[in-house]
Amino acid sequence: QKEVEQNSGPLSVPEGAIASLNCTYSDRVSQSFFWYRQYSGKSPELIMSIYSNGDKEDGRFTAQLNKASQYVSLLIRDSQPSDSATYLCAVRSGGSNYKLTFGKGTLLTVNP
Amino acid sequence: NAGVMQNPRHLVRRRGQEARLRCSPMKGHSHVYWYRQLPEEGLKFMVYLQKENIIDESGMPKERFSAEFPKEGPSILRIQQVVRGDSAAYFCASSPRTSGVNTGELFFGEGSRLTVL
Repeated sequence: QKEVEQNSGPLSVPEGAIASLNCTYSDRVSQSFFWYRQYSGKSPELIMSIYSNGDKEDGRFTAQLNKASQYVSLLIRDSQPSDSATYLCAVRSGGSNYKLTFGKGTLLTVNP
Repeated sequence: NAGVMQNPRHLVRRRGQEARLRCSPMKGHSHVYWYRQLPEEGLKFMVYLQKENIIDESGMPKERFSAEFPKEGPSILRIQQVVRGDSAAYFCASSPRTSGVNTGELFFGEGSRLTVL
């Protein structure tokens, strides 16, 4: 059973702080990793993808991947109240070129 | 609107009725995926379709659920004889046709929220 684990939260940070979201996965041959943001009652929105070890930065977002430790993280710098949402980690295993396995998500609240 | 279009956005059915959920992928996308999200649960893969083909239905319940993606028209997720446990948000996603490596990026519609009374 391929699993993706996330701390359900809620994670609460003050405005302007760094929010750190973590995700671990069980399938060692996983190839691609994604972070989706989902506002309450809305659809998941892709915000970051990462395929190789290391860091990938896009604006205020940084994704970090460590395949040896089987974890992927998302850092949000200068957190804003509009960042308050559930963040979903998704993993595509090496055995599939299409199927994504999602974690249950971490609820982030950014307090003004 | 060039995004993934789903309808209806909200659907209420009584136990035993049928639910039909429709999805039109993004323009230029020929791969459609259906995911189900139960309250407090993550998104669970149900089925992957291309035009006129079901590629992977390993996440679909064996009974009452079916999906299609005809040559013309939207993809349909059909749930027969609904039960209360079918109440969930059903999300459709699409991805572009790829000739090489599939990056796996999915683009989701706004979802159809099914409530079974």
